[in-house]
Amino acid sequence: EIVLTQSPGTLSLSPGERATLSCRASQSVSSTYLTWYQQKPGQAPRLLIYGASSRATGIPDRFSGSRSGTDFTLTISRLEPEDFAVYYCQQYGSPPYTFGQGTKVEIK
Amino acid sequence: EVQLVESGGGLVQPGGSLRLSCAASGFTLSNHWMSWVRQAPGKGLEWVANIKEDGSDKYYVDSVKGRFTISRDNAKNSLYLQMNSLRAEDTAMYYCARKNSFDLWGQGTMVTVSS
Repeated sequence: EIVLTQSPGTLSLSPGERATLSCRASQSVSSTYLTWYQQKPGQAPRLLIYGASSRATGIPDRFSGSRSGTDFTLTISRLEPEDFAVYYCQQYGSPPYTFGQGTKVEIK
Repeated sequence: EVQLVESGGGLVQPGGSLRLSCAASGFTLSNHWMSWVRQAPGKGLEWVANIKEDGSDKYYVDSVKGRFTISRDNAKNSLYLQMNSLRAEDTAMYYCARKNSFDLWGQGTMVTVSS
């Protein structure tokens, strides 16, 4: 089973600041099968990034994804009020598909 | 409108059974792998099971193997999750999701296992 470890657990930032979220895989994951989701309280998750770096339909370009080895990064260039939420990475290279434990981006 | 709508959740006693349904609209279910994903109260996301477009392949997380069964009826544009021998730790919001990249989610249906 591939374990995804997200850091930090909580990120306290102000609107307009840059957010950098990390997701480290316990073994090799193809970029093709790495996704990022946003979840707000009381809502279902929403796909943000697929293929490690491609934005899903309707996702603003302030969201970007990248990869370096087994480390994946989600960057929000300038935080908008609606971006404060929990973010999850996920891999679906092989079952069991696994999620990271989540990073909460909260208003400082 | 492209959407997924889950139903069938509720309160059930430990050891009981429940069948969840997911109705797809606005797209053709038979073109996509489909999954169930759950989230325990206040916790993170956990993939539960998925099923190939024609139902010929199915995969499960270890914790539900032998107890849960995923199925689909493409003619009815519907996905199902039969849950047997339910345990307290199965208490969660259950979401259906499209593709293995989960590009579309339902609003979820809550399952509570308690005596």
